[in-house]
Amino acid sequence: AQKVTQAQTEISVVEKEDVTLDCVYETRDTTYYLFWYKQPPSGELVFLIRRNSFDEQNEISGRYSWNFQKSTSSFNFTITASQVVDSAVYFCALSERAGRRALTFGSGTRLQVQP
Amino acid sequence: DTGVSQDPRHKITKRGQNVTFRCDPISEHNRLYWYRQTLGQGPEFLTYFQNEAQLEKSRLLSDRFSAERPKGSFSTLEIQRTEQGDSAMYLCASSSPLVGTDEQYFGPGTRLTVT
Repeated sequence: AQKVTQAQTEISVVEKEDVTLDCVYETRDTTYYLFWYKQPPSGELVFLIRRNSFDEQNEISGRYSWNFQKSTSSFNFTITASQVVDSAVYFCALSERAGRRALTFGSGTRLQVQP
Repeated sequence: DTGVSQDPRHKITKRGQNVTFRCDPISEHNRLYWYRQTLGQGPEFLTYFQNEAQLEKSRLLSDRFSAERPKGSFSTLEIQRTEQGDSAMYLCASSSPLVGTDEQYFGPGTRLTVT
């Protein structure tokens, strides 16, 4: 069975601090995909990134970066120089093997960025 | 507006009543998904359509729940004989293997309150 664990329930930082959101996953498949979504106070989930299990290259997009390590089954998300607009709940998700479309989400990490 | 839309945005119903929600996916997306999200949790997968075919159903989808996508465009999710435990946000998402990397884009959700 697949599982996604986001152990950090809530994180509070001051603007301009860097913050890392942890994600640990469990799966028996060798082919899988990992995702991060943002859910701002408005409620609509916003897609941030998808990574497949064969691509362990880290990715950077502006102030966002992702660190994928298969050895530790982790897919962590770092926001550099956080801003108030980054305040949201962030979800890590997993989908197993081609053909099975369901996303399994973690319970989310609420990030509060204080001005 | 080219995003996923859902109707209604809010629904309050009495226990035992039937409710129906509608989802209109992004027009070029042939895959459609339903999820349920309760307070403080990540979304949980309910069901998935490719075109008009319902290809995957979660064990969460009890016999009181039924979903349809009759012409491969919009979808409806019906809950019969609602129970208080059905109170949640019902999210719809769509994707296409021909657009981007088949990531799921979510609608704003329908918040159901069963009294």
